[in-house]
Amino acid sequence: EVQLVESGGGLVQPGGSLRLSCAASGFIVSSNDMSWVRQAPGKGLEWVAGVIKDEVTYYLDSVRGRFTISRHHSGNEVFLQMNSLRVEDTALYYCVRHRSSEGGLDSWGQGILVSVSS
Amino acid sequence: DIQMTQSPYSLYASVGDRVTITCRASQNIGKWLAWYQQKPGRAPILLIYGAANLQSGAPSRFSGSGFGTEFSLTISRLQPEDSASYYCQQAHTFPITFGQGTRLAIK
Repeated sequence: EVQLVESGGGLVQPGGSLRLSCAASGFIVSSNDMSWVRQAPGKGLEWVAGVIKDEVTYYLDSVRGRFTISRHHSGNEVFLQMNSLRVEDTALYYCVRHRSSEGGLDSWGQGILVSVSS
Repeated sequence: DIQMTQSPYSLYASVGDRVTITCRASQNIGKWLAWYQQKPGRAPILLIYGAANLQSGAPSRFSGSGFGTEFSLTISRLQPEDSASYYCQQAHTFPITFGQGTRLAIK
């Protein structure tokens, strides 16, 4: 069974940093594209960052230069390093797996809350 | 970036109704379109990928259609458990983008 479990969220002041972790089981993270998607309270879904084959990475414009996505193959984990956090980064962050073909995000973690506030 | 526009924003329907939600892309995305269902306090669930393919485990009353810039999600016979928010998402180009969502409530 495919499972994604996020950790590392919490309350942080503006300008602070957090590192989110996503532990995967039931598949190998290097065999699928992986992304982080967030959802601000009461709002819709917003893709944040993705990593594809050859570790090529993509970012939402508003987080580029502040966030870094990576994956640890031996530990079967995906990470999101978040620096220079802003109030508008407050959201529930989901770790997601891309389907191997024809698009779609077929597995989602339960989400981890990041709150940025002074 | 590719903009995704869903309509309607909210929808009220009765059990047994046929319901259609539409999604428009700001540029041609071929068949690279997915649909999700999200219930309050839960992670989204993939319903449809490749515009028209039913994800394993999704009920057969859900179907998708469209190509290029115009897409739709249809629920053939609405059930009480279908009360949720629905999102479309383009998988054609990074950055991945979602529609703003459609809230479906059962009368």
